[in-house]
Amino acid sequence: ETGVTQSPTHLIKTRGQQVTLRCSSQSGHNTVSWYQQALGQGPQFIFQYYREEENGRGNFPPRFSGLQFPNYSSELNVNALELDDSALYLCASSLGLAVQETQYFGPGTRLLVL
Amino acid sequence: DQQVKQNSPSLSVQEGRISILNCDYTNSMFDYFLWYKKYPAEGPTFLISISSIKDKNEDGRFTVFLNKSAKHLSLHIVPSQPGDSAVYFCAAPASGGSEKLVFGKGTKLTVNP
Repeated sequence: ETGVTQSPTHLIKTRGQQVTLRCSSQSGHNTVSWYQQALGQGPQFIFQYYREEENGRGNFPPRFSGLQFPNYSSELNVNALELDDSALYLCASSLGLAVQETQYFGPGTRLLVL
Repeated sequence: DQQVKQNSPSLSVQEGRISILNCDYTNSMFDYFLWYKKYPAEGPTFLISISSIKDKNEDGRFTVFLNKSAKHLSLHIVPSQPGDSAVYFCAAPASGGSEKLVFGKGTKLTVNP
């Protein structure tokens, strides 16, 4: 059983650019969630996808968008990057939607916006 | 509005002693809590959880205690080992019973040999 992987590991962008971050969930996991972890903070929920449909969204603007694909991969897209978007972006996959389902996190993509 | 609070950014203990990490929450609707451990350059990994119908859950060296009236939980690690050095996050599913986790800011534990 492979773990959750994310690419790229690090990324540097400039303000106003667009970025796509990728996540490969564990096989069979229908749910993927994306989190933003700013320096010194805990992860903050961005949104969640279940079977390719958005299943909830945190307090993030519409320029944060996502996609989930049938092959258990997903994307986080951020448009019009701002300096405050600099953070570690984590994806987490789980089998379903139950509260007790363990979420398995990837190692994250560290994004720096200059 | 921080619904899950970890007020100690760091904790240092000697190998073999007990580590106690604390977490407070404000939302009385929370009924399930989790602890995650994070090493540098890795994602958080699930450590232990507790349902609000219990006041204690134990898994090897790790025990989580829940005090619902005080809206407080704690993670005890006994005995602490140098490999336990990591950042520990307390988390709870957001209201509505979904998997959208609300995390505290984390406590960095250092276990000295």
